[in-house]
Amino acid sequence: EAGVTQFPSHSVIEKGQTVTLRCDPISGHDNLYWYRRVMGKEIKFLLHFVKESKQDESGMPNNRFLAERTGGTYSTLKVQPAELEDSGVYFCASSAHSRPTKNIQYFGAGTRLSVL
Amino acid sequence: GQQVMQIPQYQHVQEGEDFTTYCNSSTTLSNIQWYKQRPGGHPVFLIQLVKSGEVKKQKRLTFQFGEAKKNSSLHITATQTTDVGTYFCAGRPPGATGTASKLTFGTGTRLQVTL
Repeated sequence: EAGVTQFPSHSVIEKGQTVTLRCDPISGHDNLYWYRRVMGKEIKFLLHFVKESKQDESGMPNNRFLAERTGGTYSTLKVQPAELEDSGVYFCASSAHSRPTKNIQYFGAGTRLSVL
Repeated sequence: GQQVMQIPQYQHVQEGEDFTTYCNSSTTLSNIQWYKQRPGGHPVFLIQLVKSGEVKKQKRLTFQFGEAKKNSSLHITATQTTDVGTYFCAGRPPGATGTASKLTFGTGTRLQVTL
């Protein structure tokens, strides 16, 4: 079974540009989460989808960030326009709705975003 | 909002020594999960603790959840170089039992093990 996959693995952009990150969750996982780890700090929650609906977007820093999950499969996180403080590693995680792995979040390898 | 702190931030041990990281939440948790992140890697789920006072073991790793469900610890006996990485606790808020919800991650403890 494939794990959570994220693309790209690394993105280097200039301040003011737009970047779109993609996450493919584990097949069948209704729950999809985005997290971010800024250099040396803790992993912080951004938002949570249940299928195609946003369940909790309390962690989204501002309106420059837009997340979508059309069709309830893969998700994208767009940053427009990017600022220097957006640099960090963006992780996606997914979890199943039912046992035996209910609510265990499986993380992707992350996208390292560098804004210059 | 909920805050989860971990101590120490960093620990360097010699192989064979024991290691413990402590996790403290500002609020009661419904459950707590532990993750390990190798250098350059991503968080990998280790275990979930749900009940007050629960203790679980995985080989050389012992996990504990406090009676008040506000703190937790991870103890590694006789560390090996393969234990190197950052260990994060992550809590789920009260009322989250049985439902999917975000994790609030601790600040992490970076473990370095040398021969």
